[in-house]
Amino acid sequence: DQQVKQNSPSLSVQEGRISILNCDYTNSMFDYFLWYKKYPAEGPTFLISISSIKDKNEDGRFTVFLNKSAKHLSLHIVPSQPGDSAVYFCAARVLGGSQGNLIFGKGTKLSVKP
Amino acid sequence: GAGVSQTPSNKVTEKGKYVELRCDPISGHTALYWYRQSLGQGPEFLIYFQGTGAADDSGLPNDRFFAVRPEGSVSTLKIQRTERGDSAVYLCASSPRGGGTGELFFGEGSRLTVL
Repeated sequence: DQQVKQNSPSLSVQEGRISILNCDYTNSMFDYFLWYKKYPAEGPTFLISISSIKDKNEDGRFTVFLNKSAKHLSLHIVPSQPGDSAVYFCAARVLGGSQGNLIFGKGTKLSVKP
Repeated sequence: GAGVSQTPSNKVTEKGKYVELRCDPISGHTALYWYRQSLGQGPEFLIYFQGTGAADDSGLPNDRFFAVRPEGSVSTLKIQRTERGDSAVYLCASSPRGGGTGELFFGEGSRLTVL
């Protein structure tokens, strides 16, 4: 049973518009959520994170929103750029779990068209 | 560069053979992790080292998989009697001591194909 779900395998957005990537989870014991970005033939790179005690974290063009009651988080990219085209993974860590034991979703492939 | 280095980048082997995958973490990073990514899936946790010891090996799928980090730096993931289902990209990551926010620095991965 998947604890972290990214239900959209792909998303296509026009350059300059907003990209919204969604993630749902089932385990209420997750205490930290992260987004990673992955280009082909490269390893995932950390993008942004949020603690479960917060509902928003912003870093430049990237904002992550957390809705604990809905067990839902989203990543907003504004404005989207062609270089943002990549696979985005949502990940979560269990409270009390080892620091590197992250549970990843299957990813959403974002295509930003010029 | 100064990133996580993994070798080989590609490995093709036959069912039943033994395989070793190597990871060289970022200098100064005391924590090291192995993940496995199968086609169409997200990375799946295998094992986490803090220094030389395995702090969490709960993700290793069975006793054919073993990992070592004898000097607290380079790590080797060892797979015995490989099976076709072991085919995946094996990702290594590292993080500094106290990196408790889950920010991991990944290598490019070793793609293993078992024929």
